[in-house]
Amino acid sequence: AQSVTQLDSHVSVSEGTPVLLRCNYSSSYSPSLFWYVQHPNKGLQLLLKYTSAATLVKGINGFEAEFKKSETSFHLTKPSAHMSDAAEYFCVVSDKFGGYNKLIFGAGTRLAVHP
Amino acid sequence: DTEVTQTPKHLVMGMTNKKSLKCEQHMGHRAMYWYKQKAKKPPELMFVYSYEKLSINESVPSRFSPECPNSSLLNLHLHALQPEDSALYLCASSHSSGKETQYFGPGTRLLVL
Repeated sequence: AQSVTQLDSHVSVSEGTPVLLRCNYSSSYSPSLFWYVQHPNKGLQLLLKYTSAATLVKGINGFEAEFKKSETSFHLTKPSAHMSDAAEYFCVVSDKFGGYNKLIFGAGTRLAVHP
Repeated sequence: DTEVTQTPKHLVMGMTNKKSLKCEQHMGHRAMYWYKQKAKKPPELMFVYSYEKLSINESVPSRFSPECPNSSLLNLHLHALQPEDSALYLCASSHSSGKETQYFGPGTRLLVL
């Protein structure tokens, strides 16, 4: 079975500094990996996804993630944090479940951005 | 357009009430999902509909009853809920039930008194 580990439950950065949210996965085959963001009292918004094309995936709002098979990692980065980036971030792997697509969520990382 | 809409945004109900949550998408997606999300936790899958047929029920109590009237609509009927059922209920859809991306609605915040 697939699983996802988000290595930090909370990350705090200053506005304008880089963001790194770490994610490791376990998978027995080539996975589909996603990052979703959830702002307070909102639904989940897709930031980016990896589906075995380019290993460096660019997403919305300046975020990107690099798939590293040797390290089983899919870390999310952004060069310069903005106040509006403060939210909960979920790393997600897609697993086959009886022929259907089941999303396996990490526990989430809460990103705080300080002025 | 990657929009999934959900109504109502907020719902307060007593343990003897019957209410329904509604989800709608017009992206031509043929798979739709219900998730439950408790505070400070990731979403948990409840049900999967594929081509309007219930495909997965993640051992959800019978007080939650899903319905898919057509390919664009997904309902969740609620009856005799418990206070511990208070949560954010999220609907999602995807092109099919393969590896495709799931698009989420804004959710319904449910409070059971």
